[in-house]
Amino acid sequence: DAGVIQSPRHEVTEMGQEVTLRCKPISGHNSLFWYRQTMMRGLELLIYFNNNVPIDDSGMPEDRFSAKMPNASFSTLKIQPSEPRDSAVYFCASSSRGDNTEAFFGQGTRLTVV
Amino acid sequence: AQSVAQPEDQVNVAEGNPLTVKCTYSVSGNPYLFWYVQYPNRGLQFLLKYITGDNLVKGSYGFEAEFNKSQTSFHLKKPSALVSDSALYFCAVYGNKLVFGAGTILRVKS
Repeated sequence: DAGVIQSPRHEVTEMGQEVTLRCKPISGHNSLFWYRQTMMRGLELLIYFNNNVPIDDSGMPEDRFSAKMPNASFSTLKIQPSEPRDSAVYFCASSSRGDNTEAFFGQGTRLTVV
Repeated sequence: AQSVAQPEDQVNVAEGNPLTVKCTYSVSGNPYLFWYVQYPNRGLQFLLKYITGDNLVKGSYGFEAEFNKSQTSFHLKKPSALVSDSALYFCAVYGNKLVFGAGTILRVKS
């Protein structure tokens, strides 16, 4: 398996633009997590899905952020409109069950909003 | 709600010496505990986990971790550090979601 695949690896966009980050989890995994990593706040859980259903989105910073998982093999994290403070590395991770099984992380998307 | 504390921002150790990276946790019920490592410009890589059973858990690259329920700790250890172990280490706990600590930078000097 190729592991968790995220795209793009790097994204530079202007403030106010819409940004869409993509994730393909490992086949067979039914839990998917979106994290954001910054120097100031470390690794924050934004949202996670079980069987394509959002379970906890309490970490989503505000309404500008939205996430979807239309099927078991694809998820998106969208920011609209983007702001400079959204600049961070966004990680997607998947696991086979979510509780006592380890999560596998993608390489991350480094987002820069100018 | 669960939480993880990694009290040290950075740990420095000489190559060949034992290392310990500390982690304490708070969670309702039985804890599921994990250690991950992150190298520059990479995603997190799983090292080891504690679910149940022996308090000493062995993982990848010679790392191990000791679960202590009374102290609610899950410290990461290695008997002999390598320069290549230098990285950012995260402790995590799963209660109703997977929550990570702030991370500890490990620097191993030759």
